[in-house]
Amino acid sequence: KAGVTQTPRYLIKTRGQQVTLSCSPISGHRSVSWYQQTPGQGLQFLFEYFSETQRNKGNFPGRFSGRQFSNSRSEMNVSTLELGDSALYLCASSFRAGSTDTQYFGPGTRLTVL
Amino acid sequence: DAKTTQPNSMESNEEEPVHLPCNHSTISGTDYIHWYRQLPSQGPEYVIHGLTSNVNNRMASLAIAEDRKSSTLILHRATLRDAAVYYCIPFFRGNTPLVFGKGTRLSVIA
Repeated sequence: KAGVTQTPRYLIKTRGQQVTLSCSPISGHRSVSWYQQTPGQGLQFLFEYFSETQRNKGNFPGRFSGRQFSNSRSEMNVSTLELGDSALYLCASSFRAGSTDTQYFGPGTRLTVL
Repeated sequence: DAKTTQPNSMESNEEEPVHLPCNHSTISGTDYIHWYRQLPSQGPEYVIHGLTSNVNNRMASLAIAEDRKSSTLILHRATLRDAAVYYCIPFFRGNTPLVFGKGTRLSVIA
């Protein structure tokens, strides 16, 4: 089985712009979660989608949003980028939501905001 | 959320066993204990999880204290590829996401 894929792998944007990141989960997985990783804050949960519905949301401003499509692929969007949004954005998929199922992480998208 | 305490860093010689401790004194009775690790420049990967009994898989063993307030991840023979940040995560089988702490950075010396 192919693993979790994320595109693009690297991205450079300027302040005020918006960005869309994409995540393709492992085939058959219906839950997709997004995390932000920075040196200062570590890994922080953004949101989780299951069957096209947002199940959980972390403590991030409304500039961060996401969605999931019927094929379980997910996108996250960050509007009005700030310097502090520079981070590694990780996507993880699992078969079920809210269970002890293993979460499989993608390699991440490295976003740099100038 | 259950709070965890892990050493910031540990060091091991190659081919020796490594015991990575984790304190989770506020864990609830229904929280599973998950371990993930993150190799350099990669996303986290699952290592092992358990509830009450000790668990073994091809990657590691997990020893859980009888009172469940602590656990130890055991790598039986450390290799250079095991150098990573290891996260201990109490995880409720319900509505909560994985909550990552700072983890333990394991260095393996050849």
